[in-house]
Amino acid sequence: GIQVEQSPPDLILQEGANSTLRCNFSDSVNNLQWFHQNPWGQLINLFYIPSGTKQNGRLSATTVATERYSLLYISSSQTTDSGVYFCAAPTSGTYKYIFGTGTRLKVLA
Amino acid sequence: GAGVSQSPSNKVTEKGKDVELRCDPISGHTALYWYRQRLGQGLEFLIYFQGNSAPDKSGLPSDRFSAERTGESVSTLTIQRTQQEDSAVYLCASSRDSQGTQYFGPGTRLLVL
Repeated sequence: GIQVEQSPPDLILQEGANSTLRCNFSDSVNNLQWFHQNPWGQLINLFYIPSGTKQNGRLSATTVATERYSLLYISSSQTTDSGVYFCAAPTSGTYKYIFGTGTRLKVLA
Repeated sequence: GAGVSQSPSNKVTEKGKDVELRCDPISGHTALYWYRQRLGQGLEFLIYFQGNSAPDKSGLPSDRFSAERTGESVSTLTIQRTQQEDSAVYLCASSRDSQGTQYFGPGTRLLVL
């Protein structure tokens, strides 16, 4: 099945800084999603982005399906951005989503 | 409308007992997923339901785990003869269809003593 790898595993930022999180996947995908898990454990969908670029406020994401990676950009980070960011993609031909191990982000005030 | 809800929020049980976890998806969502998240780790796929199609059970870790869904509504995940390694957060998500954005419930924290 598909392998999903995320980097970096941990990231500490000062409030106001920008960052880029990366998600590599081993197979072609027709669906890729980014999620944020807040410190209380709630998972929120950020982007549904099988290809191209999307923006939502201070967050944007780009997926280059032909090169099998996706990037999540966080600009002007805030303490509320802290948590774990996951990307997930389904194994080809199924809806069995495989999650990466996540990037744990801490934004300092 | 209401989001995905799960019950109970927390469950403490003794090794060997059976537990039943419940998920109420968003109304109208045909797809429903169960995941397991062990402490400090990522999410593991357990099972996927889509409408009236046969579920994808390929992620269930053993025959002690089973899940049901009635049509496009409530789903229950049952763990029989619980073991300590079953301790985890069990998360449910629903989406409008198989390709859609997944919306997660708050999870059930299961502790097996």
